[in-house]
Amino acid sequence: DAKTTQPNSMESNEEEPVHLPCNHSTISGTDYIHWYRQLPSQGPEYVIHGLTSNVNNRMASLAIAEDRKSSTLILHRATLRDAAVYYCILRRMNSGNTPLVFGKGTRLSVIA
Amino acid sequence: DAGVTQSPTHLIKTRGQQVTLRCSPKSGHDTVSWYQQALGQGPQFIFQYYEEEERQRGNFPDRFSGHQFPNYSSELNVNALLLGDSALYLCASSLQGLDEQYFGPGTRLTVT
Repeated sequence: DAKTTQPNSMESNEEEPVHLPCNHSTISGTDYIHWYRQLPSQGPEYVIHGLTSNVNNRMASLAIAEDRKSSTLILHRATLRDAAVYYCILRRMNSGNTPLVFGKGTRLSVIA
Repeated sequence: DAGVTQSPTHLIKTRGQQVTLRCSPKSGHDTVSWYQQALGQGPQFIFQYYEEEERQRGNFPDRFSGHQFPNYSSELNVNALLLGDSALYLCASSLQGLDEQYFGPGTRLTVT
């Protein structure tokens, strides 16, 4: 699997937008970009994924660079509950149940 | 609809002992994957079970073994425990062919 690079940690004020970056310069044309997050004392949970176009769901937005070598997870209004470790993961298209390959992720702190 | 459940929540074992961890997948899911998460690291894939057979395996020794039952629940067994086996063990369930994995809260294993 292609590798991703994320900052170790980031900090945000409550109710402000948060932009979490991820670099994946060796991404292949068939790799989807997935984001998972892990809240304290919980297992990881799926956030969002995309291939080329920007994606939105109730949790977040995913902005993908035109060359696909980087992406940004956007939390529009951070809450204290969003404090977690965020993982950016590449998965081959139609990979079915291939395992997730986690890096160390970005630890997001949210300040009230 | 219950999500993924794991038992026990915490466990303390002595070096050299054996341990069994249990996982019940989300309703309707047929595939179970196990991950090990050391402190400060992302989860690492151990193995995956589908149709009661081990389908994929990560870079873990044979001391790590598993089983899947006809009701899709699964067990992870670790023999001859080492201090380095101390970690959070996560179970994830999914439906064969679909990408999203749902994680349980994990079992915290401490080996002394």
